Parts: sequence; C-alpha cells; structure tokens
Amino acid sequence: DTGVSQNPRHKITKRGQNVTFRCDPISEHNRLYWYRQTLGQGPEFLTYFQNEAQLEKSRLLSDRFSAERPKGSFSTLEIQRTEQGDSAMYLCASSSTGVREAFFGQGTRLTVV
Amino acid sequence: GQQVMQIPQYQHVQEGEDFTTYCNSSTTLSNIQWYKQRPGGHPVFLIQLVKSGEVKKQKRLTFQFGEAKKNSSLHITATQTTDVGTYFCLTSGTYKYIFGTGTRLKVLA
Repeated sequence: DTGVSQNPRHKITKRGQNVTFRCDPISEHNRLYWYRQTLGQGPEFLTYFQNEAQLEKSRLLSDRFSAERPKGSFSTLEIQRTEQGDSAMYLCASSSTGVREAFFGQGTRLTVV
Repeated sequence: GQQVMQIPQYQHVQEGEDFTTYCNSSTTLSNIQWYKQRPGGHPVFLIQLVKSGEVKKQKRLTFQFGEAKKNSSLHITATQTTDVGTYFCLTSGTYKYIFGTGTRLKVLA
C-alpha cells in the first residue's frame, strides 16, 4: 500500500455537469475525510466517515454534494450541477483509530468552466 | 466553533535565517499536529504534540506546545530553500481535523 490514492488527479467540467471523485484510503484505516482547498487557503473540512458511516458533514456541503463509503473502504464524492465556485482541490485523508496522524492523498483538482 | 489562527500569514526570509510560526486556539486543545504543504502538493504530517509544555525536535525544526495547551509554535533554524511551503497546525476534534490558517514561507537564496 503506497498511501492514499485519489482519482482523477485533474478534472475539467462544464458548469451544470455532475462529477464524481474517488478516494482509496490506506487499507487498514477506518477513518476517512474529505476536504476542499482553494488557492491560497487552508483545507476546509467537508465530511468524515468512520468505516461506512458518515458521522459528520460540514454546513459548507450543499445538497449538491454527496459522499459515500459503501463498504468502508474506498469513498466517492459527487458534485451535482457544478458551479464555478466549486473549482478547488478536493483532498481525501485517512487515519486509523487511536493514531491521530492523517495521511492525505494528492488531491483531485476540479476546474469548472 | 473552534478556530485556530496562525501568524504570520506570510513570511519571506533569506536563506540561513530562522523562521517561526505560531498557532493560537480559542479553546484548550487535546493535541496539535503540524503539516507542511509544498506548492502544488498535499499536506504532509510533520509531528504531533500531546502533552502540556511538550517540546520536540526534528533536525532543524523545533515544535512546542504551550503550557495551557492553547498555543503552539514551529521554529526552523537556518532555513533552506527546501523549507519553502505552507505550514499548517492542525487539531483533531471528534469527527474532523481543524486546520489552522497556515503560514506561507518563502526562502530567498
């Protein structure tokens, strides 16, 4: 296992289209996080999974955003009816219970045109 | 909600000079972590501090956790061009990691 993997690395989409990103965490990690980062800013928390359960969701996440982690392994983040303001780097991180260090993936850079 | 502020927001130093970033919380922290994000990269874990007054060193980097566990600092001695990036402090809540606002370091050769 080489770490947290995110796909795709880059996505360009037209406004109004739906996009889906995938995150494969480190295999033994039961905690998974999604963050969004815009240029020059720190990452903003979006949502958290413990195994397959989504336990926390930021108010930043509008109803156009949905995330799943169906089998407690990989996770997907879907954005419906994308807007230009959704353009950002979407980061996924994972960690294990009791170990507080989070490992981040390289991110998916979304550009909405 | 919990907020973690970092100062300064930006710092330009000449190579060889020292650098310090400070992280301040409005509430007592259970732990604090420090991450480095290179330009175009993703956050990479540096260290975690848990105990009041804890000091840890990694080569030229010194990390400190305040006695009241409301603040922390990262000090880099004799900066190098490889130190360029944004340094974030991070605290872990029940269901999330809360990032500090970050300090962007630029090192001039």
